[in-house]
Amino acid sequence: QLQLQESGPGLVKPSETLSLSCTVSGGSITSTNHYWGWIRQPPGNGLEWIGSIYYSGTTYYNPSLKSRVTISVDTSTNQFSLILSSVPAADTAVYYCARGGGVTYSDFDYWGQGSLVTVSS
Amino acid sequence: QSALTQPRSVSGSPGQSVTISCTGTSSDVGGYNFVSWYQHHPGKAPKLMIYDVAKRPSGVPDRFSGSKSGNTASLSISGLQAEDEADYYCCSYAGDYTYGVLFGGGTKLTVL
Repeated sequence: QLQLQESGPGLVKPSETLSLSCTVSGGSITSTNHYWGWIRQPPGNGLEWIGSIYYSGTTYYNPSLKSRVTISVDTSTNQFSLILSSVPAADTAVYYCARGGGVTYSDFDYWGQGSLVTVSS
Repeated sequence: QSALTQPRSVSGSPGQSVTISCTGTSSDVGGYNFVSWYQHHPGKAPKLMIYDVAKRPSGVPDRFSGSKSGNTASLSISGLQAEDEADYYCCSYAGDYTYGVLFGGGTKLTVL
């Protein structure tokens, strides 16, 4: 059974950089036809797609976050990562990693449990 | 690009049916047959219930069904059960080099 697990600091200071990793177990991050994505949910709000990556390194980003986001993949460790720079308090959210499949990368069929990141001084 | 538009809440009694709408534009919901729906119980990971407008992943009860007409997609749940009470989010592909993936604002389903 495929499992995803987010890891990283739970507290980040404003204007600093948020970094999270997602470890994939029970399957390979190099599986064809699957993208690996990051989605977040600010407190009291809905889901927001951040971006997705294919194991080859092809990435797609939410245009509203694109200038601050980098998603990378490490096939040797079966992990992919999120970097979000210059964070304001509004980036406080539960961050989920998920597998995107299907013809596009928008069918998220496996999700991590989520990692709460608070942006505060 | 704004999020897809969903009603904030819907409700129904056990055994009844409800439908949740998701309205977008011709650049997302109306332009592609790549709409998915997620069930989200607070504190848990979201669960894929419907993909490609009307397909059900293995293990999802056939009480859940999806459809689309023009720029509006819908999730229908029949034979409501207490465990169906959750937040539901629609999601649409919106083009690789435009908006990528859009989510709806979410709908709280209450089983009375």
